[in-house]
Amino acid sequence: DGGITQSPKYLFRKEGQNVTLSCEQNLNHDAMYWYRQDPGQGLRLIYYSQIVNDFQKGDIAEGYSVSREKKESFPLTVTSAQKNPTAFYLCASSKGQGQSRNTGELFFGEGSRLTVL
Amino acid sequence: DAKTTQPNSMESNEEEPVHLPCNHSTISGTDYIHWYRQLPSQGPEYVIHGLTSNVNNRMASLAIAEDRKSSTLILHRATLRDAAVYYCILRDRMEYGNKLVFGAGTILRVKS
Repeated sequence: DGGITQSPKYLFRKEGQNVTLSCEQNLNHDAMYWYRQDPGQGLRLIYYSQIVNDFQKGDIAEGYSVSREKKESFPLTVTSAQKNPTAFYLCASSKGQGQSRNTGELFFGEGSRLTVL
Repeated sequence: DAKTTQPNSMESNEEEPVHLPCNHSTISGTDYIHWYRQLPSQGPEYVIHGLTSNVNNRMASLAIAEDRKSSTLILHRATLRDAAVYYCILRDRMEYGNKLVFGAGTILRVKS
């Protein structure tokens, strides 16, 4: 089945450690996104990529890094520079501007919950 | 970016219709109205979207006011599985996912 897969679902990290969250999609979507969600709040955009080998900072990119070497994959690294990394992280994808029948619909993964100990 | 306003929470009885309102008084002529919902501990899922006319799909109906300054998501028969946070979002037809703003949404509680 087509969709987005995030892993791990739960992750614990010690302070000072970098961690990488995986996001893979087989929907042939050009665009991919990372969001952060804190309890009781909406989603905030961390990074997005509209095409392979290109990505842009979102609203809260500090302390995070990404890569987009393959169309299917958009991993997010939470670095030790991120002061408050405990959160629920959501990856999404959508058709890109050049893809046909683009309704702008976002497809989300099930999320990764990161807890810093 | 055009903003939306939704009630913080609503409650419904099972098997009854639910009307979730959204105000977007600064909507522009090229803004689509999108609705997503997020079940507990899951990622959001697309529900429905529209531009001017009312829209129906298997999940819900979207009623758009004539002046487009408000809209209502209608769940015809609420079930316990519809308990979720519902987000009303505006998207300019020339922009894509990076411009979508997910606010706090409306928490829908469904009572059995």
